[in-house]
Amino acid sequence: DIVMTQSPDSLAVSLGERATINCKSSQSVLSTSNNKHYLAWYQQKPGQPPKLFIYWAYIRESGVPDRFRGSGSGTDFALTISSLQAEDVAVYYCQQYYTTPRTFGQGTKVEIK
Amino acid sequence: QVQLQESGPGLVKPLETLSLTCTVSGGSTINYYWSWIRQPPGKGLEWIGYIYDRDSGSTNYNPSLKSRVTISVDTSKTQFSLQLTSVTAADTAVYYCAREVECGSRTSCYGFDTWGKGTKVSVSS
Repeated sequence: DIVMTQSPDSLAVSLGERATINCKSSQSVLSTSNNKHYLAWYQQKPGQPPKLFIYWAYIRESGVPDRFRGSGSGTDFALTISSLQAEDVAVYYCQQYYTTPRTFGQGTKVEIK
Repeated sequence: QVQLQESGPGLVKPLETLSLTCTVSGGSTINYYWSWIRQPPGKGLEWIGYIYDRDSGSTNYNPSLKSRVTISVDTSKTQFSLQLTSVTAADTAVYYCAREVECGSRTSCYGFDTWGKGTKVSVSS
């Protein structure tokens, strides 16, 4: 299985400040056939299902604000919120869809400081 | 806009079989991967498995659950189902159904782009 490890487990950031979540995969999730990283990010708010935010490691899903940015390559990825807003308080998960079993990081809880 | 809705008993007795159904509305079940994913209380997400509806309903299960899981599809009803046998308290979770778009060469395009709202299942006598 590809193990996805996120850091930190939680972080508190002031409104308007930058928040960065890291995600490391135990194996590459890069397809050599199309040069794409099969890495997605999800946002989950309490009582709601996860919502797809980023795919191919850096492509924002339709409707996702541009303050959210996915980056990284190989086995190291990041989700950056450039200017934290109150509505961004949530748990964020990375996930690889390169192979089965599909696996998720343990989640990072983002709060307001 | 496709929508997913999970349904099934909210309480299952230990050692019995958990059975859930996901109804797909607003779209077909064909050419997608249909997964079940669960989330124990206060914990993270665990992929249970998927069924791929273009290839005679081929399935792929998480090895950690493979011996107890069956996922099936009813194309005529645009539903797919989960059966998990011999449940214990460790199977208590919110169970989600979710969709992946098939991208060619048996790959997923985006990850899980559509999710149901989830259904809470407790295992208790």
